[in-house]
Amino acid sequence: GAGVSQSPRYKVAKRGQDVALRCDPISGHVSLFWYQQALGQGPEFLTYFQNEAQLDKSGLPSDRFFAERPEGSVSTLKIQRTQQEDSAVYLCASSLAGGLNEQFFGPGTRLTVL
Amino acid sequence: AQSVTQLGSHVSVSEGALVLLRCNYSSSVPPYLFWYVQYPNQGLQLLLKYTSAATLVKGINGFEAEFKKSETSFHLTKPSAHMSDAAEYFCAARTSTGNQFYFGTGTSLTVIP
Repeated sequence: GAGVSQSPRYKVAKRGQDVALRCDPISGHVSLFWYQQALGQGPEFLTYFQNEAQLDKSGLPSDRFFAERPEGSVSTLKIQRTQQEDSAVYLCASSLAGGLNEQFFGPGTRLTVL
Repeated sequence: AQSVTQLGSHVSVSEGALVLLRCNYSSSVPPYLFWYVQYPNQGLQLLLKYTSAATLVKGINGFEAEFKKSETSFHLTKPSAHMSDAAEYFCAARTSTGNQFYFGTGTSLTVIP
């Protein structure tokens, strides 16, 4: 399969723990996006990469959230000192480039913070 | 700021009946508009998109949507519902100058046999 993959699919963390969520975009896709989808809500934009450059991180809710894409391919979203309000599905999407190219979404990682 | 409103968090239709899912956007400049479908435990899949080329947009699986600037709407329709259409549907908007997508809160479609 050549789609976007995310791991782990499910993550349970105790409050205060750090977590790292991985996204493998479609090979050759320049753009990569992270979204947070709370229960019963639509996805909300977190951050955007073009290759390895993080061009927009305006959606990150606090400085506990950090994303990187060091080689312009795989991306990791890290959440430090998790809080219960961080519980959500984290979606990753990639596209050939920015603009109106279709974003292909991964299945998401469901994070539950106890 | 861009915002997208989906009226009706749950819609039920009988198999074979018309599907109408409502989406309104707020913007002084018409954005680019999208409809996505999400099946359980799967990622979002693009149904169709409006990019100002034509106001009536046809998508996959028999869905279409019409952009109406006067109503700031982009409602999704399908003439005849199929059981396989049962899913969560999201309307999204993006401005011409940004990379952020603004999603609505979603509409869960149930198809009754």
